[in-house]
Amino acid sequence: ETGVTQTPRHLVMGMTNKKSLKCEQHLGHNAMYWYKQSAKKPLELMFVYSLEERVENNSVPSRFSPECPNSSHLFLHLHTLQPEDSALYLCASSQDYRSGELFFGEGSRLTVL
Amino acid sequence: RKEVEQDPGPFNVPEGATVAFNCTYSNSASQSFFWYRQDCRKEPKLLMSVYSSGNEDGRFTAQLNRASQYISLLIRDSKLSDSATYLCVVKDSSASKIIFGSGTRLSIRP
Repeated sequence: ETGVTQTPRHLVMGMTNKKSLKCEQHLGHNAMYWYKQSAKKPLELMFVYSLEERVENNSVPSRFSPECPNSSHLFLHLHTLQPEDSALYLCASSQDYRSGELFFGEGSRLTVL
Repeated sequence: RKEVEQDPGPFNVPEGATVAFNCTYSNSASQSFFWYRQDCRKEPKLLMSVYSSGNEDGRFTAQLNRASQYISLLIRDSKLSDSATYLCVVKDSSASKIIFGSGTRLSIRP
């Protein structure tokens, strides 16, 4: 199995839909991250979890709601999104949240109509 | 001023050439530095960490200049497979703030 797995790989949703992105890591890491990557912009950190506790929340709109039920799984719940939220959402993990060595999943490409 | 700045490129160089690019950072308290590589429509992957003394991994050499607040990446004997976007990553002294640059696009031509 690959180290960090994300599903779905592609998602198209309307602005009134509710959907979730899922991330699973098989590396035994203690920290997990959600990043957003939009065209021609640097990766934007959204959320950081360490041992299932949120340690960073970078002023992300409440229409994005993270959930970390255990150290191997991370979800991003989406509701009432806007077209400008269309982007690639990348999940990553690291040994601990002090490490800068991140292992990324392949990403979930989201299109909001 | 951006926290991490990179020349977006593209750098278009012939196979076998040596190419180098820099990344500047604004926070003098930054502690850790990395280069990541991202292929088109793929996820970023760690290329190498950048140590104070510099480090080398095969054809790749990374250097840190704390006085001038930049890191560099040198690629020797470039291959077609080196074509990618190279992301500079800086981690500050607080536990979890990791900042990505916008990336430098490199294209190696035959």
